[in-house]
Amino acid sequence: GQNIDQPTEMTATEGAIVQINCTYQTSGFNGLFWYQQHAGEAPTFLSYNVLDGLEEKGRFSSFLSRSKGYSYLLLKELQMKDSASYLCAVRDSTGANNLFFGTGTRLTVIP
Amino acid sequence: NAGVMQNPRHLVRRRGQEARLRCSPMKGHSHVYWYRQLPEEGLKFMVYLQKENIIDESGMPKERFSAEFPKEGPSILRIQQVVRGDSAAYFCASSPKGSSTGELFFGEGSRLTVL
Repeated sequence: GQNIDQPTEMTATEGAIVQINCTYQTSGFNGLFWYQQHAGEAPTFLSYNVLDGLEEKGRFSSFLSRSKGYSYLLLKELQMKDSASYLCAVRDSTGANNLFFGTGTRLTVIP
Repeated sequence: NAGVMQNPRHLVRRRGQEARLRCSPMKGHSHVYWYRQLPEEGLKFMVYLQKENIIDESGMPKERFSAEFPKEGPSILRIQQVVRGDSAAYFCASSPKGSSTGELFFGEGSRLTVL
């Protein structure tokens, strides 16, 4: 089975940096994903990690440590539009390709 | 290049009625996934289909729920004899065959309200 944990809510200030953590326990592991979801909208893909280390993409970076079952999403130079839920998801190794999501972290960016 | 299309976007049903949700994957995508999202909760995997085949339905309730992805036409998630607890947003996602990252592309969701 899969168990994915992330904080429920976070608040950060416009222009600041915020780190959203995710820990996971899976029977098999074949990649970790971060998605962004604005209220009432579809989740949109942010990042993918399958090997240990940091993946940087503009203002967003994602880190993975497979031995620790740990990932984080780093958002820099926060903007008001970054207020959204951030979903951590893992893909197991069964080959079915389906993702298992955490409950999401609702980030509120304040002026 | 249209994304994943879901309809209806909003559906209201009374207890005991049937709900039918449709999903057309992105062009060129042959894998379809259905997820359910309850208010304030995460996305819960329900079922994974390829054309004419159910690959993994481990997240699907054993009763009242069924899914199909026919050779022609959209994928359909059917909920029979709906109950209030079925009220949720149902998201469809698709991916191409052989995607190296396995990224899923999500539709806007269908929001079911059971009165």
